[in-house]
Amino acid sequence: AQSVAQPEDQVNVAEGNPLTVKCTYSVSGNPYLFWYVQYPNRGLQFLLKYITGDNLVKGSYGFEAEFNKSQTSFHLKKPSALVSDSALYFCAVRDMRKANNLFFGTGTRLTVIP
Amino acid sequence: KAGVTQTPRYLIKTRGQQVTLSCSPISGHRSVSWYQQTPGQGLQFLFEYFSETQRNKGNFPGRFSGRQFSNSRSEMNVSTLELGDSALYLCASSQKTDMNTEAFFGQGTRLTVV
Repeated sequence: AQSVAQPEDQVNVAEGNPLTVKCTYSVSGNPYLFWYVQYPNRGLQFLLKYITGDNLVKGSYGFEAEFNKSQTSFHLKKPSALVSDSALYFCAVRDMRKANNLFFGTGTRLTVIP
Repeated sequence: KAGVTQTPRYLIKTRGQQVTLSCSPISGHRSVSWYQQTPGQGLQFLFEYFSETQRNKGNFPGRFSGRQFSNSRSEMNVSTLELGDSALYLCASSQKTDMNTEAFFGQGTRLTVV
């Protein structure tokens, strides 16, 4: 069964510090993993995806994610957080049981403190 | 290139009424998916359409239905509204239905049932 878990409901980080938002996955077969961000009263914006290849994936707005097969993790990272990064972040996996639709984690609220 | 457009942005309906939400995908995208987002349940898949055919449906009652037109625009309908149907309804479009294709989301329609 396909699933993703985001173990932290809330992450706080000081502006300028590195940030990490955690995601672990469980899939049958190869994982197809995605990160999305949601700002207040807005839809989801695509950040990056892992399909195959390099374990470090670079995405929009300076974000990157590290795929770790042995730990079944796909953590989102950014070297230096901005106040404007404060938002709700979702990890997602393609669900082969549902015609490849996205199965989302519960979300992590990131707050960057000035 | 215009993004995914959802109308209306906000709706207030009374219990027992029915509602129709509209989604115009990105030009050239033929796959449209619908998701319901609530604080308690998070993001849940409703259904997906591709070339006017429903490919899959999530675990929602039959009161929730949808369709897709030949120009790829999609509508979803909820009949006999219940208080619990209050949510942000998100539409996403993709060029293809492959596992490695990201979905692009609209800003959503905020439905409030009173």
